[in-house]
Amino acid sequence: GAVVSQHPSRVICKSGTSVKIECRSLDFQATTMFWYRQFPKKSLMLMATSNEGSKATYEQGVEKDKFLINHASLTLSTLTVTSAHPEDSSFYICSAQGERSPDTQYFGPGTRLTVL
Amino acid sequence: TQLLEQSPQFLSIQEGENLTVYCNSSSVFSSLQWYRQEPGEGPVLLVTVVTGGEVKKLKRLTFQFGDARKDSSLHITAAQPGDTGLYLCAGLASGTYKYIFGTGTRLKVLA
Repeated sequence: GAVVSQHPSRVICKSGTSVKIECRSLDFQATTMFWYRQFPKKSLMLMATSNEGSKATYEQGVEKDKFLINHASLTLSTLTVTSAHPEDSSFYICSAQGERSPDTQYFGPGTRLTVL
Repeated sequence: TQLLEQSPQFLSIQEGENLTVYCNSSSVFSSLQWYRQEPGEGPVLLVTVVTGGEVKKLKRLTFQFGDARKDSSLHITAAQPGDTGLYLCAGLASGTYKYIFGTGTRLKVLA
């Protein structure tokens, strides 16, 4: 089956620093990757959609300068939280879609970000 | 804005009981998925339903897509502690590639 990995799984950083989270599709080429944010005991909120080689499309209310997304290859997308603050602490999850199953998204295991 | 409301939000039941989780919207979806998520992990896909009125069974889980493709239900028979988790429905809006996630139902099955 399709496998998506995220790195790191957990990260703790100081307020004001930037953090990069990687999302990789290990055994398929992901034409589209999605980034979600999940607050404790809440559902997933779509932040942005990225397609390989083009700029990400951000959902309403998500600051594109705050959450930088790069989809440089068909197997890698990165989310960089710039100048992180405690309110950015959350569980960030990526998912990937391939050409063969465009209606199916495969989720990564998530990254827990804690900003002190 | 498309919304998917799930009910109930929380459910705590004894092992062996049956339960139904509902996922409702005023919008039409071209397909709908159900996921189960455990703490600290990503969601795991359980099923995808595409056709209005479709019923799919996965062991003790029965999924139904509404005739109008605006709602869905998940029925679990003889729940087990291993069924504990956050259940999420997600709808694929017609003409788009984005999934909208429901508000979630947190299930706890007590032994």
